[in-house]
Amino acid sequence: AQKITQTQPGMFVQEKEAVTLDCTYDTSDPSYGLFWYKQPSSGEMIFLIYQGSYDQQNATEGRYSLNFQKARKSANLVISASQLGDSAMYFCAMRGYQKVTFGIGTKLQVIP
Amino acid sequence: SQTIHQWPATLVQPVGSPLSLECTVEGTSNPNLYWYRQAAGRGLQLLFYSVGIGQISSEVPQNLSASRPQDRQFILSSKKLLLSDSGFYLCAGWGGAGETQYFGPGTRLLVL
Repeated sequence: AQKITQTQPGMFVQEKEAVTLDCTYDTSDPSYGLFWYKQPSSGEMIFLIYQGSYDQQNATEGRYSLNFQKARKSANLVISASQLGDSAMYFCAMRGYQKVTFGIGTKLQVIP
Repeated sequence: SQTIHQWPATLVQPVGSPLSLECTVEGTSNPNLYWYRQAAGRGLQLLFYSVGIGQISSEVPQNLSASRPQDRQFILSSKKLLLSDSGFYLCAGWGGAGETQYFGPGTRLLVL
């Protein structure tokens, strides 16, 4: 069975600062993928970044980077230089054999 | 990349009425398709997924059903809606290993 744990229900960050959103996972699948999505108040799910379990380097997409520590089963999202538009819910997810499992999310609020 | 279409965007239905939400996919063939429900302020709950035409897996026993009559069409249905069926319904598609799961814009369902 797959499990995603996000332990931060809410986070605050000052504009232009960096913030780390935590995600740990558990799976018995030898091959898996890890995702982060952003969900603004409009409800749409916006794909941010993807990390494959066999990728040697941490994924980066613009201001987003994924701190992948396989031995610790963690896949934290780092947002650099936070902007007001980054205020949203953030979901960590894991792709297994056929399904994608989501965490409960972290609400990020960027303070001017 | 995939594009996921969902309609309607918003739906208000009386208790006991039937439901049919449609999801269609562009840009890929033979995708895995998923229906999620999100209660207000909560995470995503996987309802159904399909790996091919006519193949439906149910994750949570409930008042809903799903069908996949065509490769790129996924339908969520109910014969009689309950108040507890209210929520935000998201359809998602996944093209396979190494690819990202993309989401449709979602349908907000309010059962009164």
